[in-house]
Amino acid sequence: EIVLTQSPTTMAASPGEKVTLTCRASSSVSYMHWYQQRSGTSPKLWIYETSKLASGVPNRFSGSGSGTSYSLTINSMETEDAATYYCQQGSSYPPWTFGGGTKLELK
Amino acid sequence: EVQLQESGPGLVKPSQSLSLTCSVTGYSITSNYWGWIRKFPGNKMEWMGYISYSGSTSYNPSLKSRISITRDTSKNQFFLQLNSVTTEDTATYYCARSTRGTVHWFAYWGQGTLVTVSS
Repeated sequence: EIVLTQSPTTMAASPGEKVTLTCRASSSVSYMHWYQQRSGTSPKLWIYETSKLASGVPNRFSGSGSGTSYSLTINSMETEDAATYYCQQGSSYPPWTFGGGTKLELK
Repeated sequence: EVQLQESGPGLVKPSQSLSLTCSVTGYSITSNYWGWIRKFPGNKMEWMGYISYSGSTSYNPSLKSRISITRDTSKNQFFLQLNSVTTEDTATYYCARSTRGTVHWFAYWGQGTLVTVSS
């Protein structure tokens, strides 16, 4: 099983601040996917295949990485970006796994 | 528009079976992959398994002896059964649609249903 470790676990950012969330895999994966989850709602696909923004995702978000190291970046933090973000790998052979999440709060 | 909706008991007793239904509208379950994912208190998320467009299944090895995913294509529904539950199975359960192909992500999710295992 590929274990995904996200860091930091929790962080706070001010409006306008650049934010980078990291996801490290225990073995190399081809792609990483990211989800945003706000309290009381279901996860929403945010970034897929490492760097492609899901429909409706603002372009201040970006994704990058390869191998065992991936990241999600917010170019300029906005109020609505406060949420928990999860990374997920879905290689051809299950089990597909999720990271433990990064809770992003507004400072 | 693809929509998924979970339904089932919110409370299950230890050692009993947990059974959930996912009703899908706007898309046929004979396409793509359809899975169950759960989120534990404390935020850990676990992929449980899927049933494919052809009816084949794959399960998380951590659950393999307890889990079954089936479907009813005439009703466009798929089902989760988890046997011999313990309090450790208390979680919010989501059904979701994943992509078809060699790389899988979950573009559509149900709203989730909280299942508590308690006597």
